[in-house]
Amino acid sequence: DTGVSQNPRHKITKRGQNVTFRCDPISEHNRLYWYRQTLGQGPEFLTYFQNEAQLEKSRLLSDRFSAERPKGSFSTLEIQRTEQGDSAMYLCASSLRSQGGTEAFFGQGTRLTVV
Amino acid sequence: KQEVTQIPAALSVPEGENLVLNCSFTDSAIYNLQWFRQDPGKGLTSLLLIQSSQREQTSGRLNASLDKSSGRSTLYIAASQPGDSATYLCAVESGGSYIPTFGRGTSLIVHP
Repeated sequence: DTGVSQNPRHKITKRGQNVTFRCDPISEHNRLYWYRQTLGQGPEFLTYFQNEAQLEKSRLLSDRFSAERPKGSFSTLEIQRTEQGDSAMYLCASSLRSQGGTEAFFGQGTRLTVV
Repeated sequence: KQEVTQIPAALSVPEGENLVLNCSFTDSAIYNLQWFRQDPGKGLTSLLLIQSSQREQTSGRLNASLDKSSGRSTLYIAASQPGDSATYLCAVESGGSYIPTFGRGTSLIVHP
């Protein structure tokens, strides 16, 4: 296993189009997180899953954002009707839940540009 | 709500200097604190994880300390090198949520 994998690495889309990003976590990890990062800022939490259950989604930026993790394996983040303000780096992380928390590992991110 | 602050926002030092990066958090009920490195346009690389019961962790030239009662952590980098140039981020995993909350990072430049 080579770590958390995100695809695509870069995505350019026209305003109003839908986009979907994929994240493949480290295989034994049961927690998966999505973050958004804009220039000069720290990662901003969007949502997370424990196995296939989405435990927190209230911080998704709008109802245009949705995420799934079928069968507790890979996850997808979809943005519908993209806007220029959605341009950012979208980061995925995974960890193994245990008492006291564990180390989170991040992918290389998907850079979204909305034109 | 957990808030994480990192000081300084930017730092430029000559090669060879020892330096300290600071991270503070508002809610001391944490599970762990993690330090990351991020190169421009890249994802985050984990450097050190400190569990809430620990006081410090070391890896090579890096040493991170944690003082839960005062809500502070420091990342000490010894004998800095140009290859250390990057943004350093700390993230706190708070009790009950298991959601890492990030600071805005410290942008470090080490010049030869």
